[in-house]
Amino acid sequence: GNSVTQMEGPVTLSEEAFLTINCTYTATGYPSLFWYVQYPGEGLQLLLKATKADDKGSNKGFEATYRKETTSFHLEKGSVQVSDSAVYFCALSEWDNFNKFYFGSGTKLNVKP
Amino acid sequence: NAGVTQTPKFQVLKTGQSMTLQCAQDMNHEYMSWYRQDPGMGLRLIHYSVGAGITDQGEVPNGYNVSRSTTEDFPLRLLSAAPSQTSVYFCASRGEGETDTQYFGPGTRLTVL
Repeated sequence: GNSVTQMEGPVTLSEEAFLTINCTYTATGYPSLFWYVQYPGEGLQLLLKATKADDKGSNKGFEATYRKETTSFHLEKGSVQVSDSAVYFCALSEWDNFNKFYFGSGTKLNVKP
Repeated sequence: NAGVTQTPKFQVLKTGQSMTLQCAQDMNHEYMSWYRQDPGMGLRLIHYSVGAGITDQGEVPNGYNVSRSTTEDFPLRLLSAAPSQTSVYFCASRGEGETDTQYFGPGTRLTVL
């Protein structure tokens, strides 16, 4: 079956520190991979995505590379800001059914000034 | 363009009561979904719809009913609420041309006593 595993939080960093949030997946076929972000009291927003192996998704300084050989999609940012504090979800969609998404449990990021 | 809207924002029910969570989108999206978000478990798909009159089950459909009479609306019904249905519920939609990207509503926090 399909599943997503991501590192447990919370992750606490100082402003301008380097961020990595690990995500690995199990899937059949060729899923698309995503990172969504949830700010307090809000719904999820798409942060970035990658639809095939070796693709790199990027947005707002965040990056993640689709690694089929290690079934991973780790999120990175070179210099975090206080405004990046949120919960980050890794997700995949089935390759033959884009309506079926599977989400990880979420990683809370706290960035201190 | 309001995007995806959900009502109510908060609801408290007693065990055995019924209610309907409302979801509407004004983007003319064919695809709509309902998720529940529980601590430590991420989001899990309850039901989804690929167009008016067409619905299907997700990961955790038991205890929930849906229907899709119009493109805009996708209500979620709890026929007999149980404490296990205490959760935050998110509705999402996706456009035909955006095969991978979902847009989420702000959520409904439901407590069943």
